[in-house]
Amino acid sequence: GQQLNQSPQSMFIQEGEDVSMNCTSSSIFNTWLWYKQDPGEGPVLLIALYKAGELTSNGRLTAQFGITRKDSFLNISASIPSDVGIYFCAGRISGTSYGKLTFGQGTILTVHP
Amino acid sequence: DGGITQSPKYLFRKEGQNVTLSCEQNLNHDAMYWYRQDPGQGLRLIYYSQIVNDFQKGDIAEGYSVSREKKESFPLTVTSAQKNPTAFYLCASSRDYEQYFGPGTRLTVT
Repeated sequence: GQQLNQSPQSMFIQEGEDVSMNCTSSSIFNTWLWYKQDPGEGPVLLIALYKAGELTSNGRLTAQFGITRKDSFLNISASIPSDVGIYFCAGRISGTSYGKLTFGQGTILTVHP
Repeated sequence: DGGITQSPKYLFRKEGQNVTLSCEQNLNHDAMYWYRQDPGQGLRLIYYSQIVNDFQKGDIAEGYSVSREKKESFPLTVTSAQKNPTAFYLCASSRDYEQYFGPGTRLTVT
């Protein structure tokens, strides 16, 4: 069954607005990863998080590893049209096989110019 | 340039035929993975390999087979036993916990 809840499922925003999305689980995670996927392409790794409470930025993107180790957040500031795509969270649940990731369902982001 | 290549980008097959999807990486990564992506769903793990000549079933391995004879290559065969093979297939590789994806192959079976 699904172990990661990603929300919101979709977002429609105006260019220049900030965006927030998150992933939550009942399981404890050792690693959180955030990916962006353009239509018809493979996901691209945006940010990787390895410690509870860690806050990491990549340009206009900021992600946080939740203190409880059961959630993670991604913020995009001052959105631009090329931010359009599907954003996935992924994580490695504590105790699972090395390299095995669990993926969220994705957040579809639409940015209106 | 280092990266992961998948070929072809689009693949069409008739029902009942086996088909093999290619995945090659020149990142010198030990681990490789195959995922399936359906509309509105996240990625689901089919098979993964942490080292040459070894691989493990993922969450949805039925109807699929793989081989890992070389570090650089991890081909996936979609067999006629897979009931719903039409999907977008993604290959990934990793050295540690960060997985890097190829461009994907869209398989359509009619």
